Amino acid sequence: QVQLVQSGAEVKKPGASVKVSCKASGYTFSSYNINWVRQATGQGLEWMGWMNPNSGNTGYAQKFQGRVTMTRNTSISTAYMELSSLRPEDTAVYYCARRVVGIDYWGQGTLVTVSS
Amino acid sequence: DIQMTQSPSSLSASVGDRVTITCRASQSISSYLNWYQQKPGKAPNLLIYTASNLQSGVPSRFSGSGSGTDFTLTINSLQPEDFATYYCQQSYSTLYTFGQGTKLEIK
Repeated sequence: QVQLVQSGAEVKKPGASVKVSCKASGYTFSSYNINWVRQATGQGLEWMGWMNPNSGNTGYAQKFQGRVTMTRNTSISTAYMELSSLRPEDTAVYYCARRVVGIDYWGQGTLVTVSS
Repeated sequence: DIQMTQSPSSLSASVGDRVTITCRASQSISSYLNWYQQKPGKAPNLLIYTASNLQSGVPSRFSGSGSGTDFTLTINSLQPEDFATYYCQQSYSTLYTFGQGTKLEIK
């Protein structure tokens, strides 16, 4: 069955970077885009960007341009999202998700806490 | 970026009711509109894709309609497990955006 398994929770200081991984299984990793979505506690869903695992092409929401980098390692079917220059308002659960037509499979989420 | 606006932001209803949630896009997005349900502490779940197509495994009491800028999600005969938050999301642009969410609560 399709699974997206994310790395564990992170605690970072303001100004640092965080890199979250997302390991895919149960389907051909290169066939579908991976999206990243975040959600602060009690808030709505915020779409961050997408990555094509086959080509490595990416598209980022304007809000995150210059601070986010999405990459992949196709040999281990893993996608990565790195967010730099962290600030307290980046504290959120970060999800990776597979997009077919809609976003049909989601990882379990990774809590990133930014605090001094 | 295309802005998505949902209404209402919250809604109270009873088991057995029929409810409708609206989503409006800031520009035409054809039928590239998806709906998700999210329960507390869980990842979202895809309900409807391209405006009116029911995702596999989703109960038929859920339906979607609309095109252009105006879309609706309808839930017929609300069940206890339907009380959750619902989000629309456009996939017309390569830069997706979500609506702000509609919280459906038990009356």
